[in-house]
Amino acid sequence: NAGVMQNPRHLVRRRGQEARLRCSPMKGHSHVYWYRQLPEEGLKFMVYLQKENIIDESGMPKERFSAEFPKEGPSILRIQQVVRGDSAAYFCASSPTGSPYNEQFFGPGTRLTVL
Amino acid sequence: GQNIDQPTEMTATEGAIVQINCTYQTSGFNGLFWYQQHAGEAPTFLSYNVLDGLEEKGRFSSFLSRSKGYSYLLLKELQMKDSASYLCAYMNTGFQKLVFGTGTRLLVSP
Repeated sequence: NAGVMQNPRHLVRRRGQEARLRCSPMKGHSHVYWYRQLPEEGLKFMVYLQKENIIDESGMPKERFSAEFPKEGPSILRIQQVVRGDSAAYFCASSPTGSPYNEQFFGPGTRLTVL
Repeated sequence: GQNIDQPTEMTATEGAIVQINCTYQTSGFNGLFWYQQHAGEAPTFLSYNVLDGLEEKGRFSSFLSRSKGYSYLLLKELQMKDSASYLCAYMNTGFQKLVFGTGTRLLVSP
């Protein structure tokens, strides 16, 4: 049973370009969470999605960032017009239901470097 | 507010016992999680406490006191492979997001 998959593992973009990060949850999981980890900082919640629904986006920056989890295919975190401050590790996690008693399983992360 | 604190770094010797403390303040609480994260890798789940007391899982144990806003992770019979960051996180009532501390970097030496 494959775990949470993320790709790419490493992504390099120049300032002003777009970054697309993909996350495939574990089989049977319908809840996806995105977290960002800046260098020397803790993981920070960004957004929580179910299929075709954004449930909580309280941690998403108001501009340039968007997320989706379509009926078919992976969840996508999209960052438009990237800036150097967006350089970070972006982790996706999934859980089988929305219950807080279900642990969140994390993917290996995408390390974004903005030049 | 959403405050959660844990020490930045700890060192210990192979075979020893180490306790990593975590304190939190939140208006609603729905469980405390501990994750292990090796450098460059995904966080992996270690333990979950929602009621007061000690949960034991092999060499790892986790304790929670809700009235004190306090948890600790106890690692026994330390091995070199236990060198990693240990992340404390709580979940708020009615929300699904985990609120993480900055992590405690544990270095186990021979």
